[in-house]
Amino acid sequence: TQLLEQSPQFLSIQEGENLTVYCNSSSVFSSLQWYRQEPGEGPVLLVTVVTGGEVKKLKRLTFQFGDARKDSSLHITAAQPGDTGLYLCAGQGALEKTSYDKVIFGPGTSLSVIP
Amino acid sequence: EAQVTQNPRYLITVTGKKLTVTCSQNMNHEYMSWYRQDPGLGLRQIYYSMNVEVTDKGDVPEGYKVSRKEKRNFPLILESPSPNQTSLYFCASSSYAHQGKPQPQHFGDGTRLSIL
Repeated sequence: TQLLEQSPQFLSIQEGENLTVYCNSSSVFSSLQWYRQEPGEGPVLLVTVVTGGEVKKLKRLTFQFGDARKDSSLHITAAQPGDTGLYLCAGQGALEKTSYDKVIFGPGTSLSVIP
Repeated sequence: EAQVTQNPRYLITVTGKKLTVTCSQNMNHEYMSWYRQDPGLGLRQIYYSMNVEVTDKGDVPEGYKVSRKEKRNFPLILESPSPNQTSLYFCASSSYAHQGKPQPQHFGDGTRLSIL
């Protein structure tokens, strides 16, 4: 069974600070996605990474896929109150055909940015 | 507007009373999926469907049924709901890329179920 872990579980920071959240697994994924979820809404896709070592930037957000495609990180520069939300990583399996189409979500990192 | 629509958004019911949560998407997506979200556990996949009449179990399928008779609809059925199925449920859909890999998913706004 594939398992995605995220850390930290909760994070509360002041506006303007930088932060990094992590997504780790013992399994290799063909792709990994990051979503952000706000209260009362469904998750919304931020980015997809597919190549080991890949780095993608989305304004102040930087996403990296580990070389072995087992982990990923999300770095936010100069956090703003609008960044507040639950950040979820999700992986799609690569090694086992039976899990090829399954999507595994991590438990999420709840971020609160205080003005 | 491209969207995934779930109904109802909120439901309080009693143990054993059959219920159905509907999900409809207007993007002609092949892949649809149901998740439940619980504190500390994140989103867990219940069932998914890769196309009409093709469904497969996710990680937590016990106590649930689904059907995919039409491409746009993917209802979730709880034949005999129990209190441990109290949760926040999300339906999602995505298209398939050229190599058959599911694309990132579009989520509905969620259905909050309370089983008393």
